[in-house]
Amino acid sequence: IAGITQAPTSQILAAGRRMTLRCTQDMRHNAMYWYRQDLGLGLRLIHYSNTAGTTGKGEVPDGYSVSRANTDDFPLTLASAVPSQTSVYFCASSYDLDRGGNEQFFGPGTRLTVL
Amino acid sequence: GQNIDQPTEMTATEGAIVQINCTYQTSGFNGLFWYQQHAGEAPTFLSYNVLDGLEEKGRFSSFLSRSKGYSYLLLKELQMKDSASYLCAVMDSNYQLIWGAGTKLIIKP
Repeated sequence: IAGITQAPTSQILAAGRRMTLRCTQDMRHNAMYWYRQDLGLGLRLIHYSNTAGTTGKGEVPDGYSVSRANTDDFPLTLASAVPSQTSVYFCASSYDLDRGGNEQFFGPGTRLTVL
Repeated sequence: GQNIDQPTEMTATEGAIVQINCTYQTSGFNGLFWYQQHAGEAPTFLSYNVLDGLEEKGRFSSFLSRSKGYSYLLLKELQMKDSASYLCAVMDSNYQLIWGAGTKLIIKP
């Protein structure tokens, strides 16, 4: 693994189904993030974690949950998917959260369609 | 509220220079980032400004004026591979990035 990986690359999901998007980084970064990107809108933060064992809510957390059992993995779960969750989801990481200048490194993204 | 504004789309000619502007209003300021995003790919880091002035990195330069809430990204000697979206993001007082919608740059031969 080099950098951040995400799985699956794309998924079509029936409304009401549960789905977990996976994210793994091998850079030993403390902070990790989940964003969604929709046409015409900027990236919007869903949840973040500044270290293993802690998580926080971003701008658009409703309908999503995360966990951070270890440094490397940060899965995002949709408990009961709805069509408005159709989006491209990016996982990102940075060395720290509470320090200016920390660039964020992004995974390749998961394209999710909820029908 | 927090707001980042940048033009939706710009067109430029190969070999020319283009300036992409970004204005912002945020709760606190811990720096401004520019990212490049090719279609269907992840954003990649270009530059970071926290103090007023110009930061130069090869063909790309980024300028910041904190008093005006303004930044620009300057791309010189444009190449076809520079066709991409350019994202402006400000780190607020909680160290979270607030993102603009991005500027799609089209390079014509």
